[in-house]
Amino acid sequence: SYELTQPPSVSVSPGQTARITCSGDALPKQYASWYLQKPGQAPVLVIYKDSERPSGIPERFSGSSSGTTVTLTISGVQAEDEADYYCQSADSSGSYYVFGPGTKVTVL
Amino acid sequence: EVQLVESGGGLVQPGGSLKLSCAASGFTFSGSAMQWVRQASGKGLEWIGRIRSKANSYATAYPPSVKGRFTISRDDSKNTAYLQMNSLKTEDTAVYYCKAVDYDSSGYLTYDYWGQGTLVTVSS
Repeated sequence: SYELTQPPSVSVSPGQTARITCSGDALPKQYASWYLQKPGQAPVLVIYKDSERPSGIPERFSGSSSGTTVTLTISGVQAEDEADYYCQSADSSGSYYVFGPGTKVTVL
Repeated sequence: EVQLVESGGGLVQPGGSLKLSCAASGFTFSGSAMQWVRQASGKGLEWIGRIRSKANSYATAYPPSVKGRFTISRDDSKNTAYLQMNSLKTEDTAVYYCKAVDYDSSGYLTYDYWGQGTLVTVSS
């Protein structure tokens, strides 16, 4: 079955830029979304259609796509951005969705 | 106020069945696609299926891991979505979330709402 790959962890100092990658063979064909999840809470959508930001999501969150990799960028990281981040996309035929394994972002 | 409230979780024996409900309020349920996502304790998110709106023929989709065992349905008159789980395995133990999503005619997100989840434990 289809799988997405993410780094297990990313560490960043406050005010710096965090970049989280997500790789998958179908990403050139299928849009990706990004979610953040804090402990004990439901996930929150921060990026959809590779680079669109839902209303209410800070501008410091942005997304991009290049070939088989999509990237979530958090510019000017704040302490409150510490969370687990998951990418999501569909298989090549669009039959079903999958989540990546998640990346824990630690703000130093 | 938008609410998605899951119910029906609990303890079930391996091989058993369970039906979860997701009651929606505060938005136009009938126009939304409803999805179910689960998360085992300390693990990542797993997408387990969706049902589209009546306008999209109530089309369903499932990943290979649950296809044939799980069935998603909805009752728009009750603003409720359901997840019927059969032949449950210990590895199905997780918090189960429902979510509602809709896009406008231009493909831009209208909303992406999540419930707070209900715990399903499969154990003898």
